[in-house]
Amino acid sequence: DVQLVESGGGLVQPGGSLRLSCAASGFTVSSNYMSWVRLPPGKGLEWVSVIYDGDSTSYADSVKGRFTISRDNSKNTVYLQMNSLRPEDTAVYYCAGEGSGSFYMWGQGTLVTVSA
Amino acid sequence: DIVMTQTPLSSPVTPGQPASISCRSSQSLVHSDGNTYLSWLQQRPGQPPRLLIYKVSKRLSGVPDRFSGSGAGTDFTLKISRVEAEDVGVYYCMQGTQSPHGYTFGQGTKLEIK
Repeated sequence: DVQLVESGGGLVQPGGSLRLSCAASGFTVSSNYMSWVRLPPGKGLEWVSVIYDGDSTSYADSVKGRFTISRDNSKNTVYLQMNSLRPEDTAVYYCAGEGSGSFYMWGQGTLVTVSA
Repeated sequence: DIVMTQTPLSSPVTPGQPASISCRSSQSLVHSDGNTYLSWLQQRPGQPPRLLIYKVSKRLSGVPDRFSGSGAGTDFTLKISRVEAEDVGVYYCMQGTQSPHGYTFGQGTKLEIK
């Protein structure tokens, strides 16, 4: 079975840090563009970051300079290091695999809550 | 950045009746390779998003044929020929034409059963 499983979410204070993980099975992260997409409460989907072609990366303006995406091919896992967290970063974070310009594979998501 | 605008934002539908969602982009989604990377996703309550349609009109394997996508350039439509109770959820259009330098979702359209 092809599967993406996120972990690492939780409650963190403003200014704090978290690292999310996305472990893949039946699917090779090094061969695909891998993104993080988030769903803030009561709002719509927002693309956060992508890693592609080795270690090339892109970020949404809202997280640039604070978040870092990376992957460990030996563990078939993608990460999102989130620093200087703000209340507006509160969301369910999904890992997604891209093909033909579309996110065709999604994990179940992990909840990040930024609150004092 | 490309802005994606969906209408309506909410759509109450009677089971068995058709439904239609429009999506407009702020600039053409035709890529230099000739493809148009516009997709439609469904998010049921409590579930992750699910890809239904990619490249405007290509249905993903396993997606019921009552779902269809159409459009070109900047104007796109998702149609459900006969809505079923399991279709309840939020539908998003998304552009991947700027991949890997950015992706944009529409605001989402909430499909509800009357």
